[in-house]
Amino acid sequence: KAGVTQTPRYLIKTRGQQVTLSCSPISGHRSVSWYQQTPGQGLQFLFEYFSETQRNKGNFPGRFSGRQFSNSRSEMNVSTLELGDSALYLCASSPGPTGSGNTIYFGEGSWLTVV
Amino acid sequence: GIQVEQSPPDLILQEGANSTLRCNFSDSVNNLQWFHQNPWGQLINLFYIPSGTKQNGRLSATTVATERYSLLYISSSQTTDSGVYFCAVEPADYKLSFGAGTTVTVRA
Repeated sequence: KAGVTQTPRYLIKTRGQQVTLSCSPISGHRSVSWYQQTPGQGLQFLFEYFSETQRNKGNFPGRFSGRQFSNSRSEMNVSTLELGDSALYLCASSPGPTGSGNTIYFGEGSWLTVV
Repeated sequence: GIQVEQSPPDLILQEGANSTLRCNFSDSVNNLQWFHQNPWGQLINLFYIPSGTKQNGRLSATTVATERYSLLYISSSQTTDSGVYFCAVEPADYKLSFGAGTTVTVRA
């Protein structure tokens, strides 16, 4: 069974641009959640999607958005990039939503550098 | 929001040594998970352990939910155990919260 797949793995963007990151969950998993990891703030929850609905959102500005498609694949978008958005963005999937007692499985992440 | 504290922040071990990592949390939680982050950044799930004790090979974990802490034990450490270990808790708002991690270095 294939794991959680994130694309692209590495990317460099310029301040002010926007970026879209993609996440394909494990087959059969309907919940996808996103996290940002930086040296200063550590791992922080961005949002969770289940059955195409955003269930939860972390404390991030509106520049951070996401969506989930009917095949459970998810994308997150960051608009008007700032230097502080440079981070490792991690996606995780699980069979059910948070709170349903499921283990979550992470992808390898997307390394974003904003210059 | 909930506070998650991990200790120690750094741990240097000689191969073969045993160690204990601790995770304290400030409020009741629905569940708790331990992860190991490999050098490439991927988080590998070690344990899903809202309460009680579990063992997997040389690793074991215990969560005492009523006292709001969890322990991860590494026995007979190997160089492949090196990396960052994270504790993550699921509070009432279902927003998974991570500790700052414990960086483990196992020397041959």
